[in-house]
Amino acid sequence: NSKVIQTPRYLVKGQGQKAKMRCIPEKGHPVVFWYQQNKNNEFKFLINFQNQEVLQQIDMTEKRFSAECPSNSPCSLEIQSSEAGDSALYLCASSPQGARGAEVFFGKGTRLTVV
Amino acid sequence: GDSVTQTEGQVALSEEDFLTIHCNYSASGYPALFWYVQYPGEGPQFLFRASRDKEKGSSRGFEATYDKGTTSFHLRKASVQESDSAVYYCALGDGGNTGKLIFGLGTTLQVQP
Repeated sequence: NSKVIQTPRYLVKGQGQKAKMRCIPEKGHPVVFWYQQNKNNEFKFLINFQNQEVLQQIDMTEKRFSAECPSNSPCSLEIQSSEAGDSALYLCASSPQGARGAEVFFGKGTRLTVV
Repeated sequence: GDSVTQTEGQVALSEEDFLTIHCNYSASGYPALFWYVQYPGEGPQFLFRASRDKEKGSSRGFEATYDKGTTSFHLRKASVQESDSAVYYCALGDGGNTGKLIFGLGTTLQVQP
């Protein structure tokens, strides 16, 4: 069973509001990912970190989304100004290494609803 | 770009039936291939992976063999149970050595008792 902890499990925000979610990766996993899963089951990679440094991020992440993984604190993903299209399940995942075949373990997700 | 195609959107079976879920991939490099399973209200759970041609991955009675020639990684199980009902995702690990995954759209498996 995955030991990636995500909070809160559910988040409801109005359009234009900030939405912030947190993630504690599995102990000993230096690589952390954020994915967005929409209602059609499509996964969209948002950003990943290795030891607090950003490895990759998509354009959307650079604009309204911000994320960080400080040492000794939970990782976080924040949407500065929520839009209806941001309603989705946000999944945090961690991995023991940022390698091609590395196992990636997911948390249960934060379900964001933007009303 | 790299992509994963799962042919079946939904599969309905009875207990003890044989399961096949088809997965084909398109990648410029030599990706690692994965199967994940997602139950309602949960995140995807790692099932197994294969990293090279002809390698077989398996877990919990499920198995798949990496076939570079046909660019496939089909999921099979000899005898499904009601508890196997879930959404199954095929994924490939991109060649950038970051561990990033590209997922298919998933196959919903419903097993009747």
